[in-house]
Formats: sequence, C-alpha cells, structure tokens
Amino acid sequence: NAGVTQTPKFRVLKTGQSMTLLCAQDMNHEYMYWYRQDPGMGLRLIHYSVGEGTTAKGEVPDGYNVSRLKKQNFLLGLESAAPSQTSVYFCASSRRGTNYGYTFGSGTRLTVV
Amino acid sequence: SQQGEEDPQALSIQEGENATMNCSYKTSINNLQWYRQNSGRGLVHLILIRSNEREKHSGRLRVTLDTSKKSSSLLITASRAADTASYFCATATIYNQGGKLIFGQGTELSVKP
Repeated sequence: NAGVTQTPKFRVLKTGQSMTLLCAQDMNHEYMYWYRQDPGMGLRLIHYSVGEGTTAKGEVPDGYNVSRLKKQNFLLGLESAAPSQTSVYFCASSRRGTNYGYTFGSGTRLTVV
Repeated sequence: SQQGEEDPQALSIQEGENATMNCSYKTSINNLQWYRQNSGRGLVHLILIRSNEREKHSGRLRVTLDTSKKSSSLLITASRAADTASYFCATATIYNQGGKLIFGQGTELSVKP
C-alpha cells in the first residue's frame, strides 16, 4: 500500500499564480485533512473532509479552497498565491470516528515569491 | 490558538539515556496522540491514549495522561541515534467533529551517539 501520496513534492510560485495540490490515499479512509506547517507554529488545520462530497473549514482556511469529488482524493487549491502561503503542506487521512490516528503524506514544500 | 503546549522545545541527550517530553492542553479531550517527524518527512503516528486511560506502552515508548492536570508525557527509554526527530502531541477535543486533531509546536529531540 502506498498510504497517502502528495503531489507535487516541491513547487515555486509567483505571487498571484494559482495551483492545486493533490492528495491521494488508498486505505479507504473516510476523513481527510490539509495542514500547513510553519516554523514555530506547529501544524495548523486548513480544511478537512468527513466524506466524499463534503468539506469544512479548519483553523486557517482563508486563501484556500478544497474539493473531495472522490473518496480517495482531496485537492487543495490556491487561487491567487501570496508570500504568506509559503509553507510545507501536509495531507493526512484517518478512519471514521474519533479514536484513530492519522496517516500523513510526505508533504509539499511551497515557496511563493 | 494552540491547544497543546510542549516542553521542552528542544532536548539533547546521549544514546542510551531516557528522553521525557511533556504536553499540556487547555480543553477536555477524547484522546491525546503522539507523532514523530523526521527532518523533511511527514509525521508518523506513535501512540494514542484515550481520556479514560492513564498509561500506555508501545515498545520503548511510555505515555501517561493526567486529565486533572490536562497534561501528558512521552518517555522514550534507552534512546538511540535513530530517535532523533521532532515529537508532537495532538489532541482530539471532546466537542470535536470530523476527527480533527490540534497539534502542539513540538519538541526537537537530538540523540548523540
């Protein structure tokens, strides 16, 4: 099993450009999440999904959009990138319910110049 | 705002010594989880302790939870150089929907050979 796969692994964007980060999981997990990790800030939740066709806002959703058209995929979009969105983005998935751990992808390092 | 606060922020020990990391949180929880992150990698789930548990073991890992003090500790016994990583606590709050976790800022552990 591949687990959680994120593409791309690295990307440099110019301010104002758009892009989509793809997360794919092959574990049949119901829940999926997008976090960003910044130095000294830990991980902060951007958006999450509790099932196909559903999405919800997390702690820092501004400037991002998401879609979950298929259960195995969770897409994170930046419509107009800003330097403040320079970060490492992590996707994670988990089984339905509260008492399960997350499986994380290996991350996407995004730089906005 | 961060639910989990970790202490210390950085810890340096010799191989064979024990490492103890602490996590404090603010609101009532369903469970608390610990994750490891090697440099440049995604997070890996280590252990989950439920709110009605006080101690849990997994190999060289021992986790305690004190809900009256809203705190947890992670003990790594007989540390190895390969344990060098950042360790994060994460909490699933009691009113949580969608299995969301709130992460602390992490403890950087360095184990010297």
